[in-house]
Amino acid sequence: GQQVMQIPQYQHVQEGEDFTTYCNSSTTLSNIQWYKQRPGGHPVFLIQLVKSGEVKKQKRLTFQFGEAKKNSSLHITATQTTDVGTYFCTAAGNKLTFGGGTRVLVKP
Amino acid sequence: DAGVTQSPTHLIKTRGQQVTLRCSPISGHKSVSWYQQVLGQGPQFIFQYYEKEERGRGNFPDRFSARQFPNYSSELNVNALLLGDSALYLCASSETGDAKNIQYFGAGTRLSVL
Repeated sequence: GQQVMQIPQYQHVQEGEDFTTYCNSSTTLSNIQWYKQRPGGHPVFLIQLVKSGEVKKQKRLTFQFGEAKKNSSLHITATQTTDVGTYFCTAAGNKLTFGGGTRVLVKP
Repeated sequence: DAGVTQSPTHLIKTRGQQVTLRCSPISGHKSVSWYQQVLGQGPQFIFQYYEKEERGRGNFPDRFSARQFPNYSSELNVNALLLGDSALYLCASSETGDAKNIQYFGAGTRLSVL
């Protein structure tokens, strides 16, 4: 079945630094969605990518869909404490298949 | 407008018991999906319902069942509870059953099985 792998599993970031988390699929994806889950909270939709090579930005967050539509990345610039949480990529087929997530901890 | 609401918020059961979790989707949304999230892992898909029909089922045993009502609310039932069923159960609603729809999640029901 469809699998989505995310790396790294954990990301400790100094406040103000940049980091990137990656999402890789074993199959070609029709689209990919990213969600953020704050500690103790529930997943909240961030973005959806549909086109090959697509790049979308939300303030300090930059999302990219790979040319082969098998991978995606999320890059956060100038990390803030509000960025703490787990970022999930999902393969949106007839069901949402979540990756294991990247847990982001920010050191002030 | 109200978001996705789930009840109860917390639940404690013992092994072998049965549990029913409830979900009300966002007004106008016709699809409801259920996910199980074990601590430290990503949500795992259990079921999707659209217009009262089951549209998808994840790799969960037959002890798990669900249904959707005419008002699009949904219930998830788990029979013969096991310790491993302890998890956060998330309900998500979307406008239709289309894969490109955004999923809006409720706050979840935290189930503890003792």
